[in-house]
Amino acid sequence: NAGVTQTPKFRVLKTGQSMTLLCAQDMNHEYMYWYRQDPGMGLRLIHYSVGEGTTAKGEVPDGYNVSRLKKQNFLLGLESAAPSQTSVYFCASTLLAPHSTDTQYFGPGTRLTVL
Amino acid sequence: QQQVKQSPQSLIVQKGGISIINCAYENTAFDYFPWYQQFPGKGPALLIAIRPDVSEKKEGRFTISFNKSAKQFSLHIMDSQPGDSATYFCAASPNDYKLSFGAGTTVTVRA
Repeated sequence: NAGVTQTPKFRVLKTGQSMTLLCAQDMNHEYMYWYRQDPGMGLRLIHYSVGEGTTAKGEVPDGYNVSRLKKQNFLLGLESAAPSQTSVYFCASTLLAPHSTDTQYFGPGTRLTVL
Repeated sequence: QQQVKQSPQSLIVQKGGISIINCAYENTAFDYFPWYQQFPGKGPALLIAIRPDVSEKKEGRFTISFNKSAKQFSLHIMDSQPGDSATYFCAASPNDYKLSFGAGTTVTVRA
């Protein structure tokens, strides 16, 4: 049981390049989330998914796209990277069940630098 | 703007001392208030959580105090240890499985 894993751990991009971040969970969770963490800003929700085949915008969705083709995977795409997207990205997942406590399980993060 | 305001930004405490972190919110629909702990290079992990039907919850050396009328809640770390040195985030949710996080507090415990 690996929990929530993220690939890659580090990445450096040039402005305008594209990339995809992969999040995988093996806990059969319905909800998955992508956050970005910046100093002094806490964690801000980018996009989330309430189940396979669904996605929704969070607090800061501009410049990002997501897909949830399989229940266990949630992909975050940057089509044309900008320096403002330099951040640490975290994926999280939650079990959707009656009386759920909303506990989110986080991955280890991806540190992205856009030059 | 952030829906949950957290203070202080950082604090330093001596080993054995008490660390106190405060959070405030405006959205009365929030009904779940977790605290997450994050060590450098790691993802956040749930530390302790409370619902508004209780005013206090204690787990070991960690206590959440909740004041519904003031829309404030706080984390107390008793007998602080060097291993408690981390960044702590408060959060709140209106039970739609989305969390709003505070900006974080970096706690340093000096031996």
